[in-house]
Amino acid sequence: GNSVTQMEGPVTLSEEAFLTINCTYTATGYPSLFWYVQYPGEGLQLLLKATKADDKGSNKGFEATYRKETTSFHLEKGSVQVSDSAVYFCALAGEGTNAGKSTFGDGTTLTVKP
Amino acid sequence: DTGVSQDPRHKITKRGQNVTFRCDPISEHNRLYWYRQTLGQGPEFLTYFQNEAQLEKSRLLSDRFSAERPKGSFSTLEIQRTEQGDSAMYLCASSPSRDQGYTFGSGTRLTVV
Repeated sequence: GNSVTQMEGPVTLSEEAFLTINCTYTATGYPSLFWYVQYPGEGLQLLLKATKADDKGSNKGFEATYRKETTSFHLEKGSVQVSDSAVYFCALAGEGTNAGKSTFGDGTTLTVKP
Repeated sequence: DTGVSQDPRHKITKRGQNVTFRCDPISEHNRLYWYRQTLGQGPEFLTYFQNEAQLEKSRLLSDRFSAERPKGSFSTLEIQRTEQGDSAMYLCASSPSRDQGYTFGSGTRLTVV
C-alpha cells in the first residue's frame, strides 16, 4: 500500500535560518502530493500541493518539488520566522484502488526561536 | 462558506457507551472523509464518502464503527461500545476532488474513561 516517511523531529531553528523537512513516499502510479500544517491550538490546514512530476508547490514562502525519480517531496523555506512554529505533515493522494483517501506521515514539529 | 464544522469539540464518555459525532462539510464539496489522530501520529484514514455513497472503509475499523452521510450533506460517525483505545481526535475533512487537498474541521476529541 501507499506510505509516507517524514524526517523525524523535533526541529529547532533560529529565526531567519533555512528550513528543510524531508519527505519520501511509496506509491504506485502518479500520486498527488501535499504538505499540511498544524499551528498550535488549530486544525490542519493545506499548505501546498503538487499533482505531477517536477511540479513545484509554493505558499507563504514555503516550496516543495515533486521528484518522481527520488520519490520525494521535501519542504523548504529560505528564512523561517517564529510564526512558522508548527507541526508539518506530508501526505499523498493515491490513484486507482487507493484514490479514495490520502496517506499522511507522522508529522515533524518545527520550533523557531527568536 | 464557513468551512468544515464538527460537533462536539470534546466528548468524555464511559467505556461501553455509544457516541456519535457530526460533521458538516463545505457545501460545494462532494467528498467527505473521516480520520483519527493520536498524539505524535499523523491522521489515520477511517472512511470516505462521495456524495451519499460510502466508497471505502479502513480494514482497521472494527464493526463498532459506522458512518453515514444521508443525502450527501452532513455526516455522522458512531462508535458503539467504546473502549479506552478509542480515545483520540476524530477529524472530518472535505474536498472537491482528489487533487485539491482537504479542508479539515477542528476535530472532536474523544476521551473514554
